[in-house]
Amino acid sequence: AQSVTQLGSHVSVSEGALVLLRCNYSSSVPPYLFWYVQYPNQGLQLLLKYTTGATLVKGINGFEAEFKKSETSFHLTKPSAHMSDAAEYFCAVSDNGNNRLAFGKGNQVVVIP
Amino acid sequence: DSGVTQTPKHLITATGQRVTLRCSPRSGDLSVYWYQQSLDQGLQFLIQYYNGEERAKGNILERFSAQQFPDLHSELNLSSLELGDSALYFCASSAKRGGLNTGELFFGEGSRLTVL
Repeated sequence: AQSVTQLGSHVSVSEGALVLLRCNYSSSVPPYLFWYVQYPNQGLQLLLKYTTGATLVKGINGFEAEFKKSETSFHLTKPSAHMSDAAEYFCAVSDNGNNRLAFGKGNQVVVIP
Repeated sequence: DSGVTQTPKHLITATGQRVTLRCSPRSGDLSVYWYQQSLDQGLQFLIQYYNGEERAKGNILERFSAQQFPDLHSELNLSSLELGDSALYFCASSAKRGGLNTGELFFGEGSRLTVL
């Protein structure tokens, strides 16, 4: 079964600094990979996804992630953090796009002014 | 707004009771997924329905059941509730393009269940 590991439940970043959230996955077949964001009292919203093709994918709000098969990773980055980026971020994986996502534990991002 | 509607938003009940959570998927989406989000377990997939039929089961307890109706809305029934069932329950729906899964889920805002 597929699974995702996200280390560091809470991540603090200064406004304007790089945001880096790490995600490693385990999957027995070519994975579909996702990053979702959850703002307080809201549902999850898709930031970006990798299915096939280009390994560097760009998402909303200036975020991007790179699929590295050799490292089984799909780390999320944003060059410059904004106060509005404060939220919880979840990495997820599905086997061949069956839509049954397995989520990581999430990273709570705090942006320090 | 994702287009997925969940009711109720908040629910407080006692141990041993039964509750029903309701979900209306996005217009045109045939698949509905239920997830449970708790502090200790994180986001756990419970069950999936596609066009009225159960498609897949995840970590769903036997005390829990779900169904999807002809109008495609879904209900998650939780019975003999325990303190540990307190959690945020999400419904999500998905679309297909060209007959293929897009891999993207659209989530509702969740139903927060508190069992006292």
